[in-house]
Amino acid sequence: GQSLEQPSEVTAVEGAIVQINCTYQTSGFYGLSWYQQHDGGAPTFLSYNALDGLEETGRFSSFLSRSDSYGYLLLQELQMKDSASYFCAVRPITGGGNKLTFGTGTQLKVEL
Amino acid sequence: DAGVIQSPRHEVTEMGQEVTLRCKPISGHDYLFWYRQTMMRGLELLIYFNNNVPIDDSGMPEDRFSAKMPNASFSTLKIQPSEPRDSAVYFCASSPNPTNEKLFFGSGTQLSVL
Repeated sequence: GQSLEQPSEVTAVEGAIVQINCTYQTSGFYGLSWYQQHDGGAPTFLSYNALDGLEETGRFSSFLSRSDSYGYLLLQELQMKDSASYFCAVRPITGGGNKLTFGTGTQLKVEL
Repeated sequence: DAGVIQSPRHEVTEMGQEVTLRCKPISGHDYLFWYRQTMMRGLELLIYFNNNVPIDDSGMPEDRFSAKMPNASFSTLKIQPSEPRDSAVYFCASSPNPTNEKLFFGSGTQLSVL
C-alpha cells in the first residue's frame, strides 16, 4: 500500500524560504508530484520528480530521494499568495499504475 | 480551453435524496478521475475511467455510489440514497495520458447532506 506523511501545518514569514517534507511508505512508484490548493479552490499541479534530485520551477523546487523514502517542496521568496495547502502525491506501480495517491497535506501560512 | 468543468458548484440536499454530480473533462484527455476530499480522510480517489471505460472503482465507498461516462466529454457521479457522511467536496480531474503526472482538477462540488 501507500502512505505519504506530511506535517499538518507550517508557518513562515513573507520573503523567507520554507521546506515542506513528504515521507512515504510505498512499494514502488513512478514519481513524486506536488500540488497546491488554496482554500475553496481546486488542487493545481506544481512539480514532478521522476528521478532523484532537485527540480526547479521558478520560486518552487522539489526534491526526491528514493533511498531515503523522502521528498520535499521548497518555496523561496515567500509571498502572501503562497498561503495554501500543499500535497505530495505518488502514482504507484502496483495496484493500478494510473492512480495518483495524495499525502495528508500541509497547510502553509505566510505571515507579514 | 475552459478546463475541467463541474456542476453544480454547491449542492445541499436532505438525507435519502439522490444526488448527481457532473463533470466535463478537458477535450482530448483520455483519463477521468473522481476524488472526494474531507478533513478527516483527505483526497481519496473514488474511481477513474480510461477512454470512457471504468478501470478501477475500488475507492467507491459502497453501492450507494455509482459513476458513468457515457462519452468522452461527460461523466456523472451519483449517490443514491445520500447520507450525511457523504458531505464532502467532490473533485473531477482529467489527464491526457497515464504517464502524465499532471492532473487537471475541476473546481469541485461542495456537497452537504442534511
